[in-house]
Amino acid sequence: GENVEQHPSTLSVQEGDSAVIKCTYSDSASNYFPWYKQELGKGPQLIIDIRSNVGEKKDQRIAVTLNKTAKHFSLHITETQPEDSAVYFCAASKGTYKYIFGTGTRLKVLA
Amino acid sequence: DAMVIQNPRYQVTQFGKPVTLSCSQTLNHNVMYWYQQKSSQAPKLLFHYYDKDFNNEADTPDNFQSRRPNTSFCFLDIRSPGLGDAAMYLCATSRVLGGTEAFFGQGTRLTVV
Repeated sequence: GENVEQHPSTLSVQEGDSAVIKCTYSDSASNYFPWYKQELGKGPQLIIDIRSNVGEKKDQRIAVTLNKTAKHFSLHITETQPEDSAVYFCAASKGTYKYIFGTGTRLKVLA
Repeated sequence: DAMVIQNPRYQVTQFGKPVTLSCSQTLNHNVMYWYQQKSSQAPKLLFHYYDKDFNNEADTPDNFQSRRPNTSFCFLDIRSPGLGDAAMYLCATSRVLGGTEAFFGQGTRLTVV
């Protein structure tokens, strides 16, 4: 069945360093890939998304890359700050109602 | 301004006592979803509404029901909560089915005692 694998499950970085989280999806028909940030006790919030017709997208310190051939997509956060500490979920959707979520990455930015 | 609002934020219920969680949206989106999220896990889709059409996930227990009386409101009913139903329940909306941003509420954390 459809599956999204996400790595690593936890990631600690020093403030100012970069963080990279990787996801692999199984359904080649997937065409929409959002990334959500979930802070403690809150609902997930979209931080960036990418569609299958684009290889890379950037928004200030956040970027997402997509390799359709390998069925990989990655989140890159540069110049990390303590407020970036949260759980990050990737997801994949193929235009149906269902978003297949990854298992989450707990990012800790150490001051 | 909050666009997807869930009430209450925290709910404590007794084992076996029916409980209802509510969600409202100001986005006028067609689709409303209910997810269950247990600690350190990804959100798990329970069901969704596309307008008035209800769609249940195959593995959603019968204990979970939902109502959508109008575009703005959606309710999650747990008929007989068990200890295993303690979780964060997330409501989300999207303009269309999949392929676009889903907006999540803050969630309701359900405790079963």
